[in-house]
Amino acid sequence: SQELEQSPQSLIVQEGKNLTINCTSSKTLYGLYWYKQKYGEGLIFLMMLQKGGEEKSHEKITAKLDEKKQQSSLHITASQPSHAGIYLCGAVINFGNEKLTFGTGTRLTIIP
Amino acid sequence: EAGVAQSPRYKIIEKRQSVAFWCNPISGHATLYWYQQILGQGPKLLIQFQNNGVVDDSQLPKDRFSAERLKGVDSTLKIQPAKLEDSAVYLCASLGGSGGEQYFGPGTRLTVT
Repeated sequence: SQELEQSPQSLIVQEGKNLTINCTSSKTLYGLYWYKQKYGEGLIFLMMLQKGGEEKSHEKITAKLDEKKQQSSLHITASQPSHAGIYLCGAVINFGNEKLTFGTGTRLTIIP
Repeated sequence: EAGVAQSPRYKIIEKRQSVAFWCNPISGHATLYWYQQILGQGPKLLIQFQNNGVVDDSQLPKDRFSAERLKGVDSTLKIQPAKLEDSAVYLCASLGGSGGEQYFGPGTRLTVT
């Protein structure tokens, strides 16, 4: 089974609507990274969370790490076509080792 | 600041052939990673280097995959011989930044026929 579960696997959203992507682990997350990937390309770093309850925002994207540090959510407000892509969460799940374990990704499609 | 460079961007080979990928990390980044990303999945770590030493290669199929980072800067990943299931995007990343985030290159898309 996957150590990091992302949901949903795919999402189709009308332009202007809000959406949320979740990343869940059965283990404590010592660092949680959100990346965006265009099809067939490299990963673009979005945000990093470390502390329980932490929340960060950049433009219209907000990421949160829950108090128990086992779940993170990525929320996009007023979605735009430029938000389309694959969103991946990567986590440090072994304390002291910065090795990242990735979820399977969420494919986001924005329709006009 | 230049990003992580990878080449080639695309490669098509037949099974049992050999292939090599090259990565040049961001200047000054001591830690370098190679990931394999199969279509529809998240990246899976193959090998991690700290300067020119291997930190973690537990998921590298060592019977066919090899990697080196001789001078602690750029790195090569080789597959010999390739199998159909090796078809994937191979991503290189280097570690840096105040938050310890990994910076990824554009990847090499390998198709094995």
